[in-house]
Amino acid sequence: EAGVTQFPSHSVIEKGQTVTLRCDPISGHDNLYWYRRVMGKEIKFLLHFVKESKQDESGMPNNRFLAERTGGTYSTLKVQPAELEDSGVYFCASSQDLIDNTATQGYGVGSDLYTQYFGPGTRLTVL
Amino acid sequence: GQQLNQSPQSMFIQEGEDVSMNCTSSSIFNTWLWYKQEPGEGPVLLIALYKAGELTSNGRLTAQFGITRKDSFLNISASIPSDVGIYFCAGRFGSSNTGKLIFGQGTTLQVKP
Repeated sequence: EAGVTQFPSHSVIEKGQTVTLRCDPISGHDNLYWYRRVMGKEIKFLLHFVKESKQDESGMPNNRFLAERTGGTYSTLKVQPAELEDSGVYFCASSQDLIDNTATQGYGVGSDLYTQYFGPGTRLTVL
Repeated sequence: GQQLNQSPQSMFIQEGEDVSMNCTSSSIFNTWLWYKQEPGEGPVLLIALYKAGELTSNGRLTAQFGITRKDSFLNISASIPSDVGIYFCAGRFGSSNTGKLIFGQGTTLQVKP
């Protein structure tokens, strides 16, 4: 089974330009997340889709960032216009959407039912 | 905002040594997770913890969910070169298991053969 894929793997753009990142989640995963890691810091949550709906967009830095998930399949994250501080690695993750989401016991170890599977990331450099 | 403090920031150890890293928070989490990221890859889940006091092992890895629900540790025994990578702790709030994760800053582990 294919994992989460992201495109492009690297992008170098100049300040003021526009960049669009794409994420293809694992087939059948309704939950899709975007995260960002600025060099040396923590991985920070940006937003969460359930199918095509934005469940939580509390982590989006500002209105220069626009995320879409048309049809509930792949997602795009557009940065327009890009600023220097937008540089970092953008990760996408996906997880299953189970009928009973209130259960507090998963399978532990490395096979959590609710595991967020991460893509390899897109490294964005804004010059 | 919500923050996890992860330490140490980096470790350079000899093959065969044991490793310990931990995360603390001022907030209570319902789930603690440990991920590993290797170069060019995204983070991969190592261990998930759901109950305060829970101690879980995965091969040479052992992790615990602190009693206060505000901390967790990860131990790696008898390290080997392929343990190299960045280890992240992550926490999740609330009863839903599909919510966002809060990550620590990461511990970079290097192992000398």
